[in-house]
Amino acid sequence: RKEVEQDPGPFNVPEGATVAFNCTYSNSASQSFFWYRQDCRKEPKLLMSVYSSGNEDGRFTAQLNRASQYISLLIRDSKLSDSATYLCVVNNAGKSTFGDGTTLTVKP
Amino acid sequence: GAVVSQHPSWVICKSGTSVKIECRSLDFQATTMFWYRQFPKQSLMLMATSNEGSKATYEQGVEKDKFLINHASLTLSTLTVTSAHPEDSSFYICSANRERGEKLFFGSGTQLSVL
Repeated sequence: RKEVEQDPGPFNVPEGATVAFNCTYSNSASQSFFWYRQDCRKEPKLLMSVYSSGNEDGRFTAQLNRASQYISLLIRDSKLSDSATYLCVVNNAGKSTFGDGTTLTVKP
Repeated sequence: GAVVSQHPSWVICKSGTSVKIECRSLDFQATTMFWYRQFPKQSLMLMATSNEGSKATYEQGVEKDKFLINHASLTLSTLTVTSAHPEDSSFYICSANRERGEKLFFGSGTQLSVL
């Protein structure tokens, strides 16, 4: 089993749709959690950190459930520019482990 | 602006040559930097953790003699792909964070093509 597992996708949604990505991690000692966005042939860029209390940034909402070892990302009112690969990242003792990523394509 | 700088962005070289990639933290000191490789449509694969002033820690299956890492200062780590072959062609990315466990800042990546 992989340390970090994500929905494989791809997700193809129309503009304006709401889409949710899930991520599970196997190490219960993991300490910090992030969602990154990666465009083709570019470096990953931080989308948001994920906190136990849940956090929101505009159209993006991230949730963490430590008991279930589960992280989610919700994107509301999808834009064409949201098309990218979304990476779930889990950090334990300074080492970051990446999920394989979920590809989102938002269509007009 | 970028806080981690990576050069070069593109490298095309002949099989058998060595290629050096630099990763610099611009406005903070990084005792640890990370090197990844990414093949098309695949996720980032951690190759090694670069430690300032000591040997790098390599992930299982990564040849340390093939991928030489030097972290000679708190702001610079280099990855040298020695005797590169076509199968080494990939996207190489470095990252660093200000504090252990905090968000990572990535370099812009290096696309290596070995002919």
